Amino acid sequence: DAGVIQSPRHEVTEMGQEVTLRCKPISGHNSLFWYRQTMMRGLELLIYFNNNVPIDDSGMPEDRFSAKMPNASFSTLKIQPSEPRDSAVYFCASSHRDGGYTFGSGTRLTVV
Amino acid sequence: TQLLEQSPQFLSIQEGENLTVYCNSSSVFSSLQWYRQEPGEGPVLLVTVVTGGEVKKLKRLTFQFGDARKDSSLHITAAQPGDTGLYLCAGDSFYFGTGTSLTVIP
Repeated sequence: DAGVIQSPRHEVTEMGQEVTLRCKPISGHNSLFWYRQTMMRGLELLIYFNNNVPIDDSGMPEDRFSAKMPNASFSTLKIQPSEPRDSAVYFCASSHRDGGYTFGSGTRLTVV
Repeated sequence: TQLLEQSPQFLSIQEGENLTVYCNSSSVFSSLQWYRQEPGEGPVLLVTVVTGGEVKKLKRLTFQFGDARKDSSLHITAAQPGDTGLYLCAGDSFYFGTGTSLTVIP
């Protein structure tokens, strides 16, 4: 199994631009999670999906953030417009039922 | 809201020493997970504990879940440089702790 696959690994963009992060979960996992990690705030849950349906998006910081999961094998996290304070490492994770998570390698986002 | 506090925040020890890191909360959790994260990678699950008082061992790592299911500890025996990393606890899989950054010096 290739694990959870995220792309791109690194993204540098200018303030105001749209950013799209991508995630392919492990086949057969029915839950998908988006996290953001910073030195100041640690790992924060942004949103999670169960069977492709968004269950809890209370962690999404602002309306500038949106996430979709059109099918069981793909999810996106979009930031529009991006701001410097969005700079962080964004992780996608997937899990099966009540098991622990398998994380991807993350996308390091820098907004200048 | 940070529900899980980990201590110490940073720990630097010599190879061969023993250490314990702690994960504390005022909330009760149905389960608690421990992860290790290396630079440039995502966290990797080490163990899940679900029963109050439960003890699990993974080679030189011993994990204990508090009787009240509000806290947990991770004890490493004879630490090795390969143990270096960020150790994270998570309550009910969702809520991650602040992390303990461990450096084992050869």
